[in-house]
Amino acid sequence: AQSVTQLGSHVSVSEGALVLLRCNYSSSVPPYLFWYVQYPNQGLQLLLKYTTGATLVKGINGFEAEFKKSETSFHLTKPSAHMSDAAEYFCAVSVVPFSGGYNKLIFGAGTRLAVHP
Amino acid sequence: GAGVSQSPSNKVTEKGKDVELRCDPISGHTALYWYRQSLGQGLEFLIYFQGNSAPDKSGLPSDRFSAERTGGSVSTLTIQRTQQEDSAVYLCASSLQGSEDAFFGQGTRLTVV
Repeated sequence: AQSVTQLGSHVSVSEGALVLLRCNYSSSVPPYLFWYVQYPNQGLQLLLKYTTGATLVKGINGFEAEFKKSETSFHLTKPSAHMSDAAEYFCAVSVVPFSGGYNKLIFGAGTRLAVHP
Repeated sequence: GAGVSQSPSNKVTEKGKDVELRCDPISGHTALYWYRQSLGQGLEFLIYFQGNSAPDKSGLPSDRFSAERTGGSVSTLTIQRTQQEDSAVYLCASSLQGSEDAFFGQGTRLTVV
């Protein structure tokens, strides 16, 4: 069965510092992996995704993530935090092999990122 | 519309009452999903629609929960005889068939008192 573990429910960084949000997954099939961001009182917005091919994927707002099969990880990074990055971040794995034609997601518990001046 | 629209944005209901939550997906998106976000359970899948049919309803927590979709567009999630543990944010997402990119609405915050 697929599962996602996000280490750290809360992460606090200074503006301009490196952002690192950790995600480990478990999957019995080659995974599709996603990072979503949720701003207060809003829905989820896709930041980036890994399906196949290049293991380093770049997303919106300067975020990137690297798929490491040997470590079953998909950590999210951003070189320099901005105040506007404060939000909750969710890592997700696609449960159904995508050949099934739909994208059923299993989410991690989320990491709330705080950015301090 | 430009995005996935959900209504109402907030709903307060008394325990035991029935509620209906509405989702209007992005035009042309045949795949539609409902998720629930609660403090105790995090984000969890409820049901998937392909057109008007629901080939995967494995996440519905009890028979008090049901959903339908008409015209391959609007979907309604119905919770009967609401309980306090049903309090959560209910999120709807849609995508093009065969796409892994799901677009989420802003959710309906349901509070059962």
